[in-house]
Amino acid sequence: DVKVTQSSRYLVKRTGEKVFLECVQDMDHENMFWYRQDPGLGLRLIYFSYDVKMKEKGDIPEGYSVSREKKERFSLILESASTNQTSMYLCASSLLPESSGNTIYFGEGSWLTVV
Amino acid sequence: GQNIDQPTEMTATEGAIVQINCTYQTSGFNGLFWYQQHAGEAPTFLSYNVLDGLEEKGRFSSFLSRSKGYSYLLLKELQMKDSASYLCAVNTDKLIFGTGTRLQVFP
Repeated sequence: DVKVTQSSRYLVKRTGEKVFLECVQDMDHENMFWYRQDPGLGLRLIYFSYDVKMKEKGDIPEGYSVSREKKERFSLILESASTNQTSMYLCASSLLPESSGNTIYFGEGSWLTVV
Repeated sequence: GQNIDQPTEMTATEGAIVQINCTYQTSGFNGLFWYQQHAGEAPTFLSYNVLDGLEEKGRFSSFLSRSKGYSYLLLKELQMKDSASYLCAVNTDKLIFGTGTRLQVFP
């Protein structure tokens, strides 16, 4: 079965802390994505990656960075967490966009609260 | 700019048919996804349309018109468990989501 695993389901962090959200996929997908989902705003793309050591900014990259050292792992980093980063974070992976029958698979989500 | 529009909320009755519309304006287009998301859960894949026309999968069908920048998801024989948010997403060089349509099904 296809699997995208996010390391933490629920986290509570203090303002200013460095936060790592880890995501691993077992499907050998090239693409990996980090989204955040907030009420009324839908899913917004933070960063994505087409390949190892490759990263592209999404729509809301400010305050975040990412790391993709291995194909299966894509990490989201909050260098200094702030309260406006309280959100639900979703990791996803997919084949290349032009692949036929492409779909995107989501992890279970990580609920981050910054206090 | 990139823009995807869906109604915010819809209500329907058990056993009825409901159509959720999605219009999009994006730079680039490889296909259009529909996802279902229950509260507190991750989105799950429903359909992916690449070519114009209607694709049917059991109670759910999805339609695409690329020239009009328009898609809809049709849900037939509604059940209570269909109460969820339905997300339209356009596949460009990245996946861009609409804000989702929250559907409530009443008995």
